[in-house]
Amino acid sequence: KAGVTQTPRYLIKTRGQQVTLSCSPISGHRSVSWYQQTPGQGLQFLFEYFSETQRNKGNFPGRFSGRQFSNSRSEMNVSTLELGDSALYLCASSTGLAGFQETQYFGPGTRLLVL
Amino acid sequence: GESVGLHLPTLSVQEGDNSIINCAYSNSASDYFIWYKQESGKGPQFIIDIRSNMDKRQGQRVTVLLNKTVKHLSLQIAATQPGDSAVYFCAEKDWGGGNKLTFGTGTQLKVEL
Repeated sequence: KAGVTQTPRYLIKTRGQQVTLSCSPISGHRSVSWYQQTPGQGLQFLFEYFSETQRNKGNFPGRFSGRQFSNSRSEMNVSTLELGDSALYLCASSTGLAGFQETQYFGPGTRLLVL
Repeated sequence: GESVGLHLPTLSVQEGDNSIINCAYSNSASDYFIWYKQESGKGPQFIIDIRSNMDKRQGQRVTVLLNKTVKHLSLQIAATQPGDSAVYFCAEKDWGGGNKLTFGTGTQLKVEL
């Protein structure tokens, strides 16, 4: 099976712009979670989508949003970019059906640089 | 608040030695623990997991130990190899958090030849 794929891999934006990142989960997986990784804050949970519905949300401002399509692909959007949004954005997929004790598999991430 | 933290930010070991990476967690409701390995430029890679009703679980060259009394988790890597050099994260979930993973700060493992 192909792994989790994320596009684009690298992105440079300027403050105030918005950005959309895409994640394609492993075939058959219906849960997609997003994480932000920075040197200062580490890996932090953004949100989880399952069957096109947001199932969990972390402590991020409303500028961070996401959605999931019927084929389980997910996108996350960050509006009004700030310098502090520079980070590696990771998505992880799982079946979403095995309860909380199920393994999540991560993609390679999208490296976002905000200038 | 909830947190999962690692004791040692950097661990250097000789090739062939065993490595032990430690992790402390504070959430008593944590029920499921996972170790991930992250190499430079890549996403975290699943290594091994353990449920709270277990004390020990073994995989290929790796063993995870869980001590719920002191809220401590460790990852043991046997016969450490250069390819094991990476950052290792512990992560936890609790039954009320769904798929939300709370990650520790990470430990850099360096394998010296």
